[in-house]
Amino acid sequence: GENVEQHPSTLSVQEGDSAVIKCTYSDSASNYFPWYKQELGKRPQLIIDIRSNVGEKKDQRIAVTLNKTAKHFSLHITETQPEDSAVYFCAAWDSNYQLIWGAGTKLIIKP
Amino acid sequence: GAGVSQTPSNKVTEKGKYVELRCDPISGHTALYWYRQSLGQGPEFLIYFQGTGAADDSGLPNDRFFAVRPEGSVSTLKIQRTERGDSAMYLCASSPSAAPGTQYFGPGTRLLVL
Repeated sequence: GENVEQHPSTLSVQEGDSAVIKCTYSDSASNYFPWYKQELGKRPQLIIDIRSNVGEKKDQRIAVTLNKTAKHFSLHITETQPEDSAVYFCAAWDSNYQLIWGAGTKLIIKP
Repeated sequence: GAGVSQTPSNKVTEKGKYVELRCDPISGHTALYWYRQSLGQGPEFLIYFQGTGAADDSGLPNDRFFAVRPEGSVSTLKIQRTERGDSAMYLCASSPSAAPGTQYFGPGTRLLVL
């Protein structure tokens, strides 16, 4: 089955700098890769997703890139702001109709 | 419109007791998922419904866990003979169909087994 690994587990960046979170997956049949943001005590919320027929997708300060050959995808946040502080999860949709999640990255934005 | 709702928001029970956790998905969403999330970890898949039937229950940890969705809308996750290790946040999510796409999460039920 699918296995998703996410790095780093904690990321601390200066406000205004960029943050990059990386994930790898194992199932080459996976075709959908969402990123969720979870603030403390709250539900996960989708921030961006990418499908396997696309290499990059942008939405304002957030972008996701996908390398199908290498089986890895990354989240890029530019011009980080205090409200970006949260735990970010990557996930991959496997062939069993399950969403397999990474372990999460705690993003800390330093003022 | 109304999002996914879950009740209760918190549940404290004693070891060995039976609990029911309820999920009310977004109206019209045919796919419904249950996850369990422990502190510092990502959501762990438990079970997925497409309509009324459990399409995949491979994530249920053992036979103490059971879930139903009798009318294809509201779902109930049932845990028998609770154990301290069952303590976690239980999240429900729904999506318009079984196709890969956005899952909309409820606020979760935090279960504490004493």
